[in-house]
Amino acid sequence: QQPVQSPQAVILREGEDAVINCSSSKALYSVHWYRQKHGEAPVFLMILLKGGEQKGHDKISASFNEKKQQSSLYLTASQLSYSGTYFCGTENQGRRALTFGSGTRLQVQP
Amino acid sequence: ETGVTQSPTHLIKTRGQQVTLRCSSQSGHNTVSWYQQALGQGPQFIFQYYREEENGRGNFPPRFSGLQFPNYSSELNVNALELDDSALYLCASSLPSGDGYTFGSGTRLTVV
Repeated sequence: QQPVQSPQAVILREGEDAVINCSSSKALYSVHWYRQKHGEAPVFLMILLKGGEQKGHDKISASFNEKKQQSSLYLTASQLSYSGTYFCGTENQGRRALTFGSGTRLQVQP
Repeated sequence: ETGVTQSPTHLIKTRGQQVTLRCSSQSGHNTVSWYQQALGQGPQFIFQYYREEENGRGNFPPRFSGLQFPNYSSELNVNALELDDSALYLCASSLPSGDGYTFGSGTRLTVV
């Protein structure tokens, strides 16, 4: 079953923060986050394995709540380059295949 | 790193025809997955190959088939094309576990 992402779209000004959520009804082994710009390939941002760890690099971080089967992507001090569609992809135990959400379209304006 | 390369970038086919899409994996990645992405949607898993064998398949009919070669490159074949097969087809390579996927830029297939 497809994970549910929210919000579907968000518009920010440069420097503002955003949170994108991803929830699943199934027990998860891992959650991946990708960003896709129009006409380009999805680009891997980070992976979170079950265990509830939080990861991050630069101004983008993510958390994984294993009990709730939810993950959140945190974008702080957004830059114009952050614009794009963000997808979470989930993996179940024993199945190395990603099920993607329908995406969150993020637009950062000057 | 050479990344993942896909060919062709664009393709137009007629309903009922057959098509083969190609993918070269990132160096060192022995697992390749194929995804179909309709406009405005997230990628949908078609199947995955590891060491030349299919080791996972999504909800796609048997007319979608694939191959992985000893050099880890891969092909996606679609027979009896239907209009609904029009989409962006993405190839992604990875290590067997614990890592992210590296996606190619995709092949845009249009079926008329």
